[in-house]
Amino acid sequence: EVQLVQSGAEVKKPGESLKISCKGSGYSFTSYWIGWVRQMPGKGLEWMGIIYPGDSDTRYSPSFQGQVTISADKSISTAYLQWSSLKASDTAMYYCARRGGKDYMDVWGKGTTVTVSS
Amino acid sequence: QSALTQPASVSGSPGQSITISCTGTSSDVGGYNYVSWYQQHPGKAPKLMIYDVSNRPSGVSNRFSGSKSGNTASLTISGLQAEDEADYYCSSYTSSSTLAVFGGGTKLTVL
Repeated sequence: EVQLVQSGAEVKKPGESLKISCKGSGYSFTSYWIGWVRQMPGKGLEWMGIIYPGDSDTRYSPSFQGQVTISADKSISTAYLQWSSLKASDTAMYYCARRGGKDYMDVWGKGTTVTVSS
Repeated sequence: QSALTQPASVSGSPGQSITISCTGTSSDVGGYNYVSWYQQHPGKAPKLMIYDVSNRPSGVSNRFSGSKSGNTASLTISGLQAEDEADYYCSSYTSSSTLAVFGGGTKLTVL
């Protein structure tokens, strides 16, 4: 079964760092782009960025460039999303998803809730 | 403000058909056949329902269909069922960005 398994919920304070993960299984992890999507409470879906684990080619949405870092470790079939200094406005659900074709995402993780509060 | 425009809400009775529109520009929806639709139930991850304008992934009910005319794509759900009540998002390839763009989402209520 093709699946993406995301790390568990996080509660952090403003200014702290964080790295969440997304582990792929059941397919060739290096052959598909993995994207990250933010969903703030009660809001819609927003593209953050995407990475090709085969060569770590990474693209960011202009809104998130410089705010987060996307990476991948193909040896353990895992993609990451990290922050160096969290803000309260980073409170959201974060989904990873596999790009199955030309810009559609066919497999989604269950999401990681990040809460940033003092 | 989302790059693609969807109605905030639509509603229908069980058994009826509804259509959700997704309007973009010639740089995205109108210029390419790379529109996808996602269903999201409360507290759940999005699920791919339609890709490349009108293709259904394996396992998705044939009550769901997609189409496109000009700069507007549409998702039609026929024979509405209570389980169809969810948020629906469209997405499209765009030549204006390295990433796809989402619509703002449409809440479907089954009356």
